[in-house]
Amino acid sequence: AQSVAQPEDQVNVAEGNPLTVKCTYSVSGNPYLFWYVQYPNRGLQFLLKYITGDNLVKGSYGFEAEFNKSQTSFHLKKPSALVSDSALYFCAVRAYQAGTALIFGKGTTLSVSS
Amino acid sequence: DADVTQTPRNRITKTGKRIMLECSQTKGHDRMYWYRQDPGLGLQLIYYSFDVKDINKGEISDGYSVSRQAQAKFSLSLESAIPNQTALYFCATSDPLTDTQYFGPGTRLTVL
Repeated sequence: AQSVAQPEDQVNVAEGNPLTVKCTYSVSGNPYLFWYVQYPNRGLQFLLKYITGDNLVKGSYGFEAEFNKSQTSFHLKKPSALVSDSALYFCAVRAYQAGTALIFGKGTTLSVSS
Repeated sequence: DADVTQTPRNRITKTGKRIMLECSQTKGHDRMYWYRQDPGLGLQLIYYSFDVKDINKGEISDGYSVSRQAQAKFSLSLESAIPNQTALYFCATSDPLTDTQYFGPGTRLTVL
């Protein structure tokens, strides 16, 4: 069975500091991994994905994520946080097999203070 | 996101009432999804459809039904609403080549 874990309900960071939002996954076979962001009163927006290739994936708004197969992790990172990055972040995974849907983690609230 | 629209945006109803939430998309994708979001639980998949004739139950389908009227339309029904179905409901569609999902703005449903 597929599953995604986001071990932190909330991450607090000061503006200008680097940020990391953690995600680990469990899936049979090769994973497709995603990060989405949700701003207040909005739907989810796609940030980035890993399908295959380079383990470091770059996405929107200066975010990047590192795929680590041995640790089954896909942590979201940004070198310098902005107050406007404050939002709810979701990691998602699906197995390579056809006919499966994405499974989302419970979400991590990122709070960036000025 | 304008590509995926949901109606209504907000709805308050009473226990036992039948409710339908509607979703339309202009992305031209075959795949569509319904999720519910509860605080601390993230997004849970209710139903998904990979084409008009293919509908599948998700993690939490009990108490819900769906109808795929056309490629662009996917409706979610609560046959007899109960208070623990109070939640934020999202519709999404996905590109089959990239699996990127595009979400609607959500429907906030309150069951009294």
